[in-house]
Amino acid sequence: SQQGEEDPQALSIQEGENATMNCSYKTSINNLQWYRQNSGRGLVHLILIRSNEREKHSGRLRVTLDTSKKSSSLLITASRAADTASYFCATDAHNDMRFGAGTRLTVKP
Amino acid sequence: DGGITQSPKYLFRKEGQNVTLSCEQNLNHDAMYWYRQDPGQGLRLIYYSQIVNDFQKGDIAEGYSVSREKKESFPLTVTSAQKNPTAFYLCASSPGHTDTQYFGPGTRLTVL
Repeated sequence: SQQGEEDPQALSIQEGENATMNCSYKTSINNLQWYRQNSGRGLVHLILIRSNEREKHSGRLRVTLDTSKKSSSLLITASRAADTASYFCATDAHNDMRFGAGTRLTVKP
Repeated sequence: DGGITQSPKYLFRKEGQNVTLSCEQNLNHDAMYWYRQDPGQGLRLIYYSQIVNDFQKGDIAEGYSVSREKKESFPLTVTSAQKNPTAFYLCASSPGHTDTQYFGPGTRLTVL
């Protein structure tokens, strides 16, 4: 069963623009993670945010977490063509990790 | 060179045959996972293991089997009972359950 659901399913932007992806989940969590997947490859961990944190930064990535709304957002600033990939959120609930269906981001040069 | 490896990258099998996918890690991680990914879809958990000689069913375990005889290895067997085995299979490991997961490059299985 999927815990997190990403929105939108697909996003297409121009290079230099910001990209925002959202993740909603159903039950309380200990942490939420964001991963990236290039086509046909394994996933790569981007960032982890704990339930007692509200915002976290890593380079051009900014993640927010709103536990009252059971949602998180991933912002990629000043996007590049190399950011083209699928982005997944993963939540741990009831001591199990579950991944959402992902947002497919396309950054046009 | 630490990491998690999967072999082979591409695998073709005839319908009705069992096939075993390899997953090895040298990260000294206790937990290991198998996921299935269908085109344009997310990851679905097949099996996971939190410690050697123990494993748990995930959401779609039917038609699959695993073993965890060594900490480094978590092979997945796709049996003939799996009705639609053609998919991309991803293995991952983590220091502990629900920690950050490190993924292998995946194995694309095609059943003809």
